[in-house]
Amino acid sequence: DTGVSQNPRHKITKRGQNVTFRCDPISEHNRLYWYRQTLGQGPEFLTYFQNEAQLEKSRLLSDRFSAERPKGSFSTLEIQRTEQGDSAMYLCASSPSQGGVAEAFFGQGTRLTVV
Amino acid sequence: DQQVKQNSPSLSVQEGRISILNCDYTNSMFDYFLWYKKYPAEGPTFLISISSIKDKNEDGRFTVFLNKSAKHLSLHIVPSQPGDSAVYFCAAHSGAGSYQLTFGKGTKLSVIP
Repeated sequence: DTGVSQNPRHKITKRGQNVTFRCDPISEHNRLYWYRQTLGQGPEFLTYFQNEAQLEKSRLLSDRFSAERPKGSFSTLEIQRTEQGDSAMYLCASSPSQGGVAEAFFGQGTRLTVV
Repeated sequence: DQQVKQNSPSLSVQEGRISILNCDYTNSMFDYFLWYKKYPAEGPTFLISISSIKDKNEDGRFTVFLNKSAKHLSLHIVPSQPGDSAVYFCAAHSGAGSYQLTFGKGTKLSVIP
């Protein structure tokens, strides 16, 4: 499978716990994006990486959220002290450096439920 | 404050007819617009895009129209097929070195055989 891979697909956690999601982009893609989608809404931008550098962050990315892409390949998104409002689908996308945003390919997402 | 609005949550169309999905935006800085299609349990898939310097872009059965003065764009699918049944998201990009897309809430299209 050469698409964007996200793990886990589903995560149920208790309020207050920390969770970490992983995204493996398409191998030759330098750009990586995280979005969040809640029920009835479109995806909302969280952050963007060019290789290992985090170049853009949304104000939605509170201090409880942290994203990394340590070697410019896979990325992780960690949420600390989860709240019920964090329940959402977390989507990762990647694109090649020579393309624009239209060339982004999305993964299937990680669905987080905070109980 | 929704900068990209899709005011129709759902749309039903007979197979073979035209589907028209609408999108309005408020931010004058948006310079590139995209449509994504999403099936259940899958991530969004890019469908078609248009730059703000154009007013029409066509790709097979899909055509996007942009009316900058009205801050309005529409996606036309003709002829509609049952496999087109999905949620369609309108998204906008403001350029200037940003890679952020702003999405609408989506319109669920059902194509009835």
